[in-house]
Amino acid sequence: AQKITQTQPGMFVQEKEAVTLDCTYDTSDPSYGLFWYKQPSSGEMIFLIYQGSYDQQNATEGRYSLNFQKARKSANLVISASQLGDSAMYFCAMRDVNAGKSTFGDGTTLTVKP
Amino acid sequence: NAGVTQTPKFRILKIGQSMTLQCAQDMNHNYMYWYRQDPGMGLKLIYYSVGAGITDKGEVPNGYNVSRSTTEDFPLRLELAAPSQTSVYFCASSYRRGVTGRSTNSTDTQYFGPGTRLTVL
Repeated sequence: AQKITQTQPGMFVQEKEAVTLDCTYDTSDPSYGLFWYKQPSSGEMIFLIYQGSYDQQNATEGRYSLNFQKARKSANLVISASQLGDSAMYFCAMRDVNAGKSTFGDGTTLTVKP
Repeated sequence: NAGVTQTPKFRILKIGQSMTLQCAQDMNHNYMYWYRQDPGMGLKLIYYSVGAGITDKGEVPNGYNVSRSTTEDFPLRLELAAPSQTSVYFCASSYRRGVTGRSTNSTDTQYFGPGTRLTVL
């Protein structure tokens, strides 16, 4: 069974600073995908970044990067130069590549202070 | 492309009533999913489908049924609504090629609909 753990229920960051949101996972599958989604107060789920378990390099998408440490089973999201619009709930998710199932963590609420 | 659409946006049901939540996608995705999100929590998988005519249970399937007669549509049926089914329901879709072993970037990304907020009183 897959499990995603996000240990930070809430985080605060000053505008323009960087912030790291933690995510650890557990799986026995050799092939899997890791995702981060943003959920603003409006409720929609917005895809941010993806990392495959066989990818050699950490994924980056604009101000988002994924710090993937396979041996430690962690997939932390780093947001650089935080903006007020980054205030939202952030979910880490894992995808079983072969079976198609996804597991989500309970989320971290990020608040960016002006 | 409209992406993933869900109807209705909001619904209030009485205990014991039934309803169908509609989900459609126009991206020719083969995989489709239903999740529920309880307040302050993450998403839990209810059912998913890997293609037309094929469905499988997720983590919390009890009280729900699905069907997938076409690639585009994946309705979720609640037969006897209970207060425990008060939640926000998200439909999602993704496209996967037949990959074994190695994950392929960008083919597993799930795209979500706007959600349906359901209250059972």
